[in-house]
Parts: sequence; C-alpha cells; structure tokens
Amino acid sequence: NAGVTQTPKFRILKIGQSMTLQCTQDMNHNYMYWYRQDPGMGLKLIYYSVGAGITDKGEVPNGYNVSRSTTEDFPLRLELAAPSQTSVYFCASSSGGFDEQYFGPGTRLTVT
Amino acid sequence: DQQVKQNSPSLSVQEGRISILNCDYTNSMFDYFLWYKKYPAEGPTFLISISSIKDKNEDGRFTVFLNKSAKHLSLHIVPSQPGDSAVYFCAASPNNAGNMLTFGGGTRLMVKP
Repeated sequence: NAGVTQTPKFRILKIGQSMTLQCTQDMNHNYMYWYRQDPGMGLKLIYYSVGAGITDKGEVPNGYNVSRSTTEDFPLRLELAAPSQTSVYFCASSSGGFDEQYFGPGTRLTVT
Repeated sequence: DQQVKQNSPSLSVQEGRISILNCDYTNSMFDYFLWYKKYPAEGPTFLISISSIKDKNEDGRFTVFLNKSAKHLSLHIVPSQPGDSAVYFCAASPNNAGNMLTFGGGTRLMVKP
C-alpha cells in the first residue's frame, strides 16, 4: 500500500500565482485532512473532510479551498499565493474521527 | 493563544536512559490526547494515545500519563534508543470532534549512543 501520497514535494510560487496541492490515499478512509506546519511550530488544521462531497473549515482556512469528489482524493487549492502561505503542507487520512491519522510526506511551498 | 504547549523545544538523553517529554493544555474541552513522532522530510506517524477516562496508557517502551486536574500529559520512553531521535508532537481533540486535532509545537529528542 502506498498510504497517503502528496504531489509535488517542493514548489516555489510567485505572489499572486495559484496552485493545487494533490493528495491521494489508498486506504479507503472516509476522513481526510490538510495541515500546515510553519518553522518551529506545530501543525495547524486548514480543512478536513468526513466523506466525499463533505468538507469543513479547520483552524486556518483563509486563502485556501478544498474539494472532495472521491473518497481517494482531497486536493488543496491556493488561489492567490501570499508569502504568509510559505509552509510545509501535510495531508492525512483516517478511518474515523478518533482513529489514528496517517500522514503523507508533505509538500514544501515557498511563496516569494 | 496556544491551547497545547510543549515548553521544551529540545531534549538530549543518553541511550538506555528514560526520556520524558511533557505537554500542557489549556482547553478543558480536550478529551483525547495523542503523541506523534516525526523524522525529517517525513510526515508525522502516530505513536500512542490516551482518552480522558484513563490516566495511563502503555505500549511497549512508550507510556503516556495524563493528569487532567493539572492539564498535563507526558510521554515516557524507556529505554531510549538512538532511533527514537525525532521531533515529538502532542495533540489534543475535544470529545465531540475527534478529528479536530490541536498540535503542540514539538520537542526535538536526541538520543546519544
């Protein structure tokens, strides 16, 4: 099993550009999550989904959008990149709300 | 305001000794607590969890202790091994939203051979 995969691994964006971070899981998990981790800080929840077609905001959703059209995929969209969005982004999935979350390897994004 | 705090950014321990990582929280709605371990350039991996109905949970070399009155939890690793060197995050969630994890800032553990 591949688990949770994320693409790309690294990306540099210019201010105002847009991009989509891809996340796919092959564990048939209902729950999926997007986190960001700033240097020296813990992870902060951006958005989460409890199933296909259902998404909800986490702690820091501003500047991001998500969609969940399938169980496997949970892309994160940045519409107008800002330097404050420079961070490492982690996608995760779990079978239930209180179950262990499995994380992808992360995408390191720099906005200049 | 940080609701989950790990006040020690780093900890150095000799191989074979005990490692104790601490975590404090402020939100009394937190009901479920987890520890994750993270190696460089990888995503966090789940280590151990505890619900508020318990004060201790053990899994091999790893034990988590919860003191609800003090809003404090700790992770004990005995004996510590060089492969345990990583960043450890504690996380908490409220009883009505297990998926809404709030993470601490992490503690970097270095186990010296």
